[in-house]
Amino acid sequence: DGGITQSPKYLFRKEGQNVTLSCEQNLNHDAMYWYRQDPGQGLRLIYYSQIVNDFQKGDIAEGYSVSREKKESFPLTVTSAQKNPTAFYLCASRALKGDYYYNEQFFGPGTRLTVL
Amino acid sequence: KQEVTQIPAALSVPEGENLVLNCSFTDSAIYNLQWFRQDPGKGLTSLLLIQSSQREQTSGRLNASLDKSSGRSTLYIAASQPGDSATYLCAVSIKAAGNKLTFGGGTRVLVKP
Repeated sequence: DGGITQSPKYLFRKEGQNVTLSCEQNLNHDAMYWYRQDPGQGLRLIYYSQIVNDFQKGDIAEGYSVSREKKESFPLTVTSAQKNPTAFYLCASRALKGDYYYNEQFFGPGTRLTVL
Repeated sequence: KQEVTQIPAALSVPEGENLVLNCSFTDSAIYNLQWFRQDPGKGLTSLLLIQSSQREQTSGRLNASLDKSSGRSTLYIAASQPGDSATYLCAVSIKAAGNKLTFGGGTRVLVKP
């Protein structure tokens, strides 16, 4: 089955800790994205990557870091500098072939992060 | 800056009634618009994708229209069922930030048996 997997499903973090959220896709998509969702709000873009070893900041990148060492993987680290990390985190991917501006994004099942 | 608004924030209908969900956006320079469904605690499932050059898309009981000039899209769900209860999100794809999606706040739908 092709798709996007995220792990873990639930994650608990103590104050001052860094934690890493996993995102893997086997859709052969070039572009990958991380969004954050807060209750009653729409999703906001944290980081995105369109090619291996390259990534760009989104709208709310402060306190987060990413890497893109492999095409299929785009892990997100929530650092201790992120003051309000409790949220639902969603990873997405999109193909960059053909007229790629018009391709749809596909989403993973999400990771719920809670700060204790 | 692109802003996306969904009204109403919540909607409750009896089973069998047609659902009409609204989405508006401030900047008409979009590539496409996607409608998603989200169940509680789950990820997003893509329902329909409408390209900027299209006026509507249909999939089964779902029909989405797009009026780019007025910055509006409407999702119609015919003959609603309790299984349609979920939050529906619309998002527009723009040129900035790797063609990121800009999302509305969602409409939470409850279909009562």
